[in-house]
Amino acid sequence: DSGVTQTPKHLITATGQRVTLRCSPRSGDLSVYWYQQSLDQGLQFLIQYYNGEERAKGNILERFSAQQFPDLHSELNLSSLELGDSALYFCASRYPGTSNEQFFGPGTRLTVL
Amino acid sequence: AQSVAQPEDQVNVAEGNPLTVKCTYSVSGNPYLFWYVQYPNRGLQFLLKYITGDNLVKGSYGFEAEFNKSQTSFHLKKPSALVSDSALYFCAVRDSTDAGNMLTFGGGTRLMVKP
Repeated sequence: DSGVTQTPKHLITATGQRVTLRCSPRSGDLSVYWYQQSLDQGLQFLIQYYNGEERAKGNILERFSAQQFPDLHSELNLSSLELGDSALYFCASRYPGTSNEQFFGPGTRLTVL
Repeated sequence: AQSVAQPEDQVNVAEGNPLTVKCTYSVSGNPYLFWYVQYPNRGLQFLLKYITGDNLVKGSYGFEAEFNKSQTSFHLKKPSALVSDSALYFCAVRDSTDAGNMLTFGGGTRLMVKP
């Protein structure tokens, strides 16, 4: 158990809908990262937050957004969902320090029908 | 831009034999290198990292990795494979000068250890 929690574990929804994925980082970790893992695209970095502020952006679609709250938990919002958005979504957290590794949550499996 | 290549989609090895999972990288500055393992329906678990110092890094579950700067490689190794090592392995790199600490992952290598 990495100490990073994600809810829900599974999510099934329809095209055009909007969903919110939640992540709670390990105690003391200020950074939260979101990743998408799909069969054809591999593991893709989406976005990073550090202590409430957006720090880096990867291949995140405009239909997707995220935020990190004062208690450091983070939410990833996916809207106007398409079939191709079906994937595993992971969040990871990291303790401050340039050489520290990221610890990953168990993921949320999103299925868009 | 940074990148990671894992040239083998799958590696097959017999239990008890040594295993190697290959990784090569490209970064502008000095690399920070990581290996993660993913078991079915689970998140990625950290195995080991190279930041600086000794080129041979030891990690969890008996795994080790060798950093080779001239070949820009960071291959994962284990002297004696177990069936329970069967999983998906990811190599990742970060440029030490990247303030955002963004990791770039390879495409993953599926390790199959047969009894």
